[in-house]
Formats: sequence, C-alpha cells, structure tokens
Amino acid sequence: AAGVIQSPRHLIKEKRETATLKCYPIPRHDTVYWYQQGPGQDPQFLISFYEKMQSDKGSIPDRFSAQQFSDYHSELNMSSLELGDSALYFCASSPEGDNEQFFGPGTRLTVL
Amino acid sequence: DAKTTQPNSMESNEEEPVHLPCNHSTISGTDYIHWYRQLPSQGPEYVIHGLTSNVNNRMASLAIAEDRKSSTLILHRATLRDAAVYYCILRDGDSGGSNYKLTFGKGTLLTVNP
Repeated sequence: AAGVIQSPRHLIKEKRETATLKCYPIPRHDTVYWYQQGPGQDPQFLISFYEKMQSDKGSIPDRFSAQQFSDYHSELNMSSLELGDSALYFCASSPEGDNEQFFGPGTRLTVL
Repeated sequence: DAKTTQPNSMESNEEEPVHLPCNHSTISGTDYIHWYRQLPSQGPEYVIHGLTSNVNNRMASLAIAEDRKSSTLILHRATLRDAAVYYCILRDGDSGGSNYKLTFGKGTLLTVNP
C-alpha cells in the first residue's frame, strides 16, 4: 500500500540558511499535518492543511511557513535556521474526518 | 486538550500480554482516546482508538473504564517488534473533520525481553 513520502530524508544546513521539506500524502488523503520532534522529545504539532487551506496552527515559529498545493502535497519552508531547529520533521496525512493519521518516515534536519 | 498520564516505562517478556495504562481524569464527553506508538527511528503509527466501549483490532485491544477517566491498551502477545514508545492521546471529537491534530505527551517506553 502507498505510504506518506517525505523528502529529503536527511538534510544538513548551516545556521541562517533556508530549508524546504516536502511531503506527499497517501493518494486521496486531503489533510496534511506537520510535526517536529527534537532530540529526546515527543512529537509536537506544527501546522495542518485541509483542502489546500490552513486548518490549524500549533507552535510553529514565524520563520517557518507551509502550504498545501493543488495535488495535495505540502511543503514546509524554514528560514533563518537556528541550531534549535535540528529535529525530525514528520508529515502525516488522513482522509477527511478519518480518525487515523498516517505518518511518513520523517526528514532529519541537522543545523550546524 | 485534556492531559494524559502514563508510566515512563514498562517491561514485558516476549509472548506475554502487556497492559499499558493511561489516566485521563479531565477527559471531556467528546474526547476520543487514541493510542499511537513510535518504533525506534520511525514515525508514529496508529494503534487503536475508542470513545466509550472497549475496542479490538488486529493490533491490540483498548479497555476503557466506565467513568472514562482511565484506559488500558492491551497487547495480547508481545513480540520484540512491539518495543516502542506508546502514546495515549485525547482528541476532541467536536474539533471538526479537518482538525484532528495530535497532542503527544510523555508516552510509555515498552521494552520487550526475549
């Protein structure tokens, strides 16, 4: 069965650089969620989209922005990267109204 | 979102049942109880969810107390592949069809001994 695809899987950036993380949801899933998991931490919700519109916002820094495109894939844009942004970033998708979120394998971002 | 409390860690032996408890004394009437698990180096994975009645699926069973202030995830025969962090999460069923964010707390690290 198709799963959530995230790219890249690993990313190394310098401080103050920018990064773009991509998420391709499972076909026919119209809702996408982004989560951040710092080292030794639990996943924290960042932002979600439903039908290309932002549906909820969590503790996402102003330096981060995201959008969902017409093909339902989503991108998380991160600017002015800080050391503290080093984390695993998970994308999850679900069909509307479904109780289950399907998570991708994550993108590991390292900021040096 | 209402808070949940879980033990930091639990240990089990392979092929034995495991009962993972979760307290959620401030649960509201519309909160669903969800369980996810996160295996090492992987994204979280849905396990099971319920509202009031006990639930069973191919992965586990969920036993919900009558007053809904606690629940227990039951793995009937633990395997080494069940070693993971298990998260008990309350999700508001009234939050709308497109707003099902998950608020992860401190889960339970399950160790399975061979």
